[in-house]
Amino acid sequence: DVKVTQSSRYLVKRTGEKVFLECVQDMDHENMFWYRQDPGLGLRLIYFSYDVKMKEKGDIPEGYSVSREKKERFSLILESASTNQTSMYLCASSQVAGPGGELFFGEGSRLTVL
Amino acid sequence: DQQVKQNSPSLSVQEGRISILNCDYTNSMFDYFLWYKKYPAEGPTFLISISSIKDKNEDGRFTVFLNKSAKHLSLHIVPSQPGDSAVYFCAASAQGNTGKLIFGQGTTLQVKP
Repeated sequence: DVKVTQSSRYLVKRTGEKVFLECVQDMDHENMFWYRQDPGLGLRLIYFSYDVKMKEKGDIPEGYSVSREKKERFSLILESASTNQTSMYLCASSQVAGPGGELFFGEGSRLTVL
Repeated sequence: DQQVKQNSPSLSVQEGRISILNCDYTNSMFDYFLWYKKYPAEGPTFLISISSIKDKNEDGRFTVFLNKSAKHLSLHIVPSQPGDSAVYFCAASAQGNTGKLIFGQGTTLQVKP
């Protein structure tokens, strides 16, 4: 089974802190994604990556950056956390780009910014 | 602008009856559609998908219907079971869009025993 592991299930941070969310997948997938889930808004794409050291902006990249130094690991970075970044963050991976490329999600990281 | 819309935030059905979840999209370039199911405190899991060359795909109790002219798809669950209670997300992708999925807002389904 594909496993996508997010390092922290729950985090509480203060405004202005730097936050790292780590994600590791064990199926040698090429593609990795970071989404955030908010009530009434569904899942919105923050950043994605198709290869090591490659990244592309999603629909809501402002206030975030990412790092992919190894194929299996994709990190989401909040340089200076703000209260409007309180959310559920979901990492996903897939093998195939384009139609048919089913996403496999991690369990999510619930971030609260005070 | 929301390209994939699920206009019903919630749905409640009786066990054994049919659940119908709806999804509308605006981008005519979308050619692949998926449904994901999400339990609280878990990540979404893939449920069923359909390509734009088809109008129906069935997998056990789950059937997805696609009406391209109306830009509408629906998920039918028959018969509904209490374990189906979850949030259901509709998602879409476009050829050449490098695997990126656009999700709807989600519909919370409650199946009552």
